Amino acid sequence: GENVEQHPSTLSVQEGDSAVIKCTYSDSASNYFPWYKQELGKGPQLIIDIRSNVGEKKDQRIAVTLNKTAKHFSLHITETQPEDSAVYFCAAILAGGTSYGKLTFGQGTILTVHP
Amino acid sequence: NAGVTQTPKFRVLKTGQSMTLLCAQDMNHEYMYWYRQDPGMGLRLIHYSVGEGTTAKGEVPDGYNVSRLKKQNFLLGLESAAPSQTSVYFCASSFPPWVAGGRGTQYFGPGTRLTVL
Repeated sequence: GENVEQHPSTLSVQEGDSAVIKCTYSDSASNYFPWYKQELGKGPQLIIDIRSNVGEKKDQRIAVTLNKTAKHFSLHITETQPEDSAVYFCAAILAGGTSYGKLTFGQGTILTVHP
Repeated sequence: NAGVTQTPKFRVLKTGQSMTLLCAQDMNHEYMYWYRQDPGMGLRLIHYSVGEGTTAKGEVPDGYNVSRLKKQNFLLGLESAAPSQTSVYFCASSFPPWVAGGRGTQYFGPGTRLTVL
C-alpha cells in the first residue's frame, strides 16, 4: 500500500520568512495530493491540492510542487504570518475509477511562526 | 450549511463501557470516514462507507463498529472501551473520487476527544 513520509516534523520560522514542508510517497499510481492545515482543537482543513498532471499550483502565499519522477511533493508558504502556525499534513490518494481510493496521510509538521 | 458535525465533543469513559460517536454531514456526500489521531502518528483510518447501508474496514478497525443507516449519518461504536482507544476521533466525508473533478476531497469535522480510564 501507499506510504507517505513527511519532513520536518517541526519547523520554526520568523514572521515574514518562507516555510517549506516536503513529502515523499511510495505508490507511483497515486494521482492526487492534498495538503491539510490543522489548528489547535480543530479538524484538518484543506488548504491546497494538486493533481498528478500538474507540476505546480499556487494560491496567494501558498504553493505546492510535485515531482512525479522522484515521487515527492512540497508545500511552500511565503511571507509567513503568526496565524500560519498550525500542524500541516500532506496526503496522497489514487483518485478515480470505480474503486475506493484510500487517503494516506503523512505524520504531520508542526509549524511555528514567531512574531 | 454546517458541513461535517460531530457529537459529542468530549467524553470520558471507564474501561469496558460502551458509547457511540455520531457524525453528520449536509453536503450530500456518498463517502464517509472515521479516523483516529494519536500524537506522532498522524491520522489513521478506522472504517469507511461508500454509501448508505455499506461499510468497510480501514487501517485500524479492531474494537470499533460502524453503521450508515442514512446517507447523512455515520456512527462509530465502541462496544467495550479500552485505554488504548484514548484518542481524538475525526469524521470526514467526500464525493466519490471519480466525481467533483476526480479529487474525492475529504472534509473533516471538528473532532471528538475521548479518554478511556
